[in-house]
Amino acid sequence: RKEVEQDPGPFNVPEGATVAFNCTYSNSASQSFFWYRQDCRKEPKLLMSVYSSGNEDGRFTAQLNRASQYISLLIRDSKLSDSATYLCVVRIGNTPLVFGKGTRLSVIA
Amino acid sequence: GAVVSQHPSRVICKSGTSVKIECRSLDFQATTMFWYRQFPKQSLMLMATSNEGSKATYEQGVEKDKFLINHASLTLSTLTVTSAHPEDSSFYICSARTPSGAEQFFGPGTRLTVL
Repeated sequence: RKEVEQDPGPFNVPEGATVAFNCTYSNSASQSFFWYRQDCRKEPKLLMSVYSSGNEDGRFTAQLNRASQYISLLIRDSKLSDSATYLCVVRIGNTPLVFGKGTRLSVIA
Repeated sequence: GAVVSQHPSRVICKSGTSVKIECRSLDFQATTMFWYRQFPKQSLMLMATSNEGSKATYEQGVEKDKFLINHASLTLSTLTVTSAHPEDSSFYICSARTPSGAEQFFGPGTRLTVL
């Protein structure tokens, strides 16, 4: 079983739509959780950290369920510029980040 | 914010040659850097952890004699792909951890194509 698993995608949605990505992780010792965004042929960039209480940053909302080892990302009012691959990432302590395979999002005009 | 640079951004080489990729942390001293590899439509896979002043720690399945890592200073780590073959063609991305360990910043990546 892979350490971090995500929706396979791709997600093709119209502008203004709400889209949700899911992620599960296998190691219950995982302590830190993130969503990264990666544009084509570019490096990943931190979108937001994920906290147990849930957190929101503008149109983006992240949720963590430690009991289910499940992480989600909700994007409201999708923009064309949101088109990218979204990577679910976990970490145990100060060990290296572990990446999911990513879910590709295409927002269509 | 912190910046990590990587050079070259793209390299095309013949099979059998060696390629060196540099990773620099520009805003902070990084005692630990990481090297990842990403094949098309795949996730970033950690290759090795580079520690300043000591030997790198390689992940299972990564040949240390093929992927030479040197972390001679607190701001520079290099990855040398020795005797490169077409199957080594990939996107190589380095990452530097801040001294506190709280954050990890990524370089822009190096796209290697071996003919």
